[in-house]
Amino acid sequence: GQQVMQIPQYQHVQEGEDFTTYCNSSTTLSNIQWYKQRPGGHPVFLIQLVKSGEVKKQKRLTFQFGEAKKNSSLHITATQTTDVGTYFCAGRDYGGSQGNLIFGKGTKLSVKP
Amino acid sequence: DSGVTQTPKHLITATGQRVTLRCSPRSGDLSVYWYQQSLDQGLQFLIQYYNGEERAKGNILERFSAQQFPDLHSELNLSSLELGDSALYFCASSATGIYNEQFFGPGTRLTVL
Repeated sequence: GQQVMQIPQYQHVQEGEDFTTYCNSSTTLSNIQWYKQRPGGHPVFLIQLVKSGEVKKQKRLTFQFGEAKKNSSLHITATQTTDVGTYFCAGRDYGGSQGNLIFGKGTKLSVKP
Repeated sequence: DSGVTQTPKHLITATGQRVTLRCSPRSGDLSVYWYQQSLDQGLQFLIQYYNGEERAKGNILERFSAQQFPDLHSELNLSSLELGDSALYFCASSATGIYNEQFFGPGTRLTVL
C-alpha cells in the first residue's frame, strides 16, 4: 500500500537557523498537505500542493512539490521559538479513496532560543 | 478553535473494557475521519465516514468500530482494550472533495491501565 516517509524524525536548531523536512511517497500523489501540531495540541492545516513542481510560500515557510509528485519539502527560514512543533506531510495517491490521506510520521522541531 | 468537538478529553480505563469516543464535525462537513496517535508516532488513519456511510478504512483493528449518525456526529467504539491501545484519538472533518483540508478536534487521550 501507499507509504509516506518523512525525514528527519527530530530536528534541533538554534533560533535563527533554517530548517527543512522532507516527505517521500512510494506512489505518485494527487495532492499533498502539510500540517503543524504544537506540543499538546492537534494538527492544524498549513497548506496544500496540487501541481507538479509547485512552490508556495507563507512568510518564512516555503513548500515544494516535486516534479514527479512523489516528494515534497517544507523549509523554514530563520526559525523562531513559535515554530516549535511537529510538522506532518499527508499525501493522497491517485488510486486512493476520496478521504484517505496518508500521514508521514512527522518531524519534531525544537528551537533553542 | 477548529469547530470540531470531541468528548471526553481524557479517559482512563482498564484492560478488557469498552469505551466510546464521540466527535461532532464542523457545521456543514459531511466527512468524519478517525486517527490514532501513539507516543512519538504519526497519525494512523483508522476510518472515514461520509454522510453516514463508511467511505474508507485504514489500519483499524477488529476490536474497534465506528459509526456516523444522521446528525453527522460520529462515535468510535473500542472494545477489549489492551495496554497498547493507550493513545491520542483524533477526529477530523472536512468538506466534500479530495482537495479539502481536514479540521482536527482537540483529541481524546485514552489511557488503558
